[in-house]
Amino acid sequence: DSGVTQTPKHLITATGQRVTLRCSPRSGDLSVYWYQQSLDQGLQFLIQYYNGEERAKGNILERFSAQQFPDLHSELNLSSLELGDSALYFCASSVSGGGLGETQYFGPGTRLLVL
Amino acid sequence: AQSVTQLGSHVSVSEGALVLLRCNYSSSVPPYLFWYVQYPNQGLQLLLKYTTGATLVKGINGFEAEFKKSETSFHLTKPSAHMSDAAEYFCAVTINNNDMRFGAGTRLTVKP
Repeated sequence: DSGVTQTPKHLITATGQRVTLRCSPRSGDLSVYWYQQSLDQGLQFLIQYYNGEERAKGNILERFSAQQFPDLHSELNLSSLELGDSALYFCASSVSGGGLGETQYFGPGTRLLVL
Repeated sequence: AQSVTQLGSHVSVSEGALVLLRCNYSSSVPPYLFWYVQYPNQGLQLLLKYTTGATLVKGINGFEAEFKKSETSFHLTKPSAHMSDAAEYFCAVTINNNDMRFGAGTRLTVKP
């Protein structure tokens, strides 16, 4: 158990809909990262937040957005969903804002299925 | 742009045999390099990483990797495979801490 929690574990929705994925980092960690793992595209880094501020941005679509709240939990919002958005979405956390080179601890993921 | 190539989407070894998982990267500046392991229905776990300094990096579970700049490689090895090593392994590279790119993954099977 990494100490990173993600909810929900599974999510089934329809095309065009909007969903919110939630992540709670390990106690004391200030950075949160989001990743997408799909059969087509493999593992992709989406975005990093550090202490509430966006720190690094990867291959995140404009239909996707994220934020980190004062209690350090983070939410990833996916809108206008398409079939191709079906994937496993991971959250990870690290101690500080040192960037992607820091040791990250991954949550178990949220599996999203868009029908 | 940086990229990562993992040679061999599937590798099968016998229990007790050497494990060698290959990773090559492309980068115009010194990279940070990582190996992650993913067990079924779980998130990723960091095995080891190279940032600076010693080019031979030791990780958890008996794994190690060597950064070879001249070959742009970061191959993962373990002298003796165990059944519990069966999993998917991902090589990743980050440059300037602003983006991370993953290889396509190598599924390791360990035969008794």
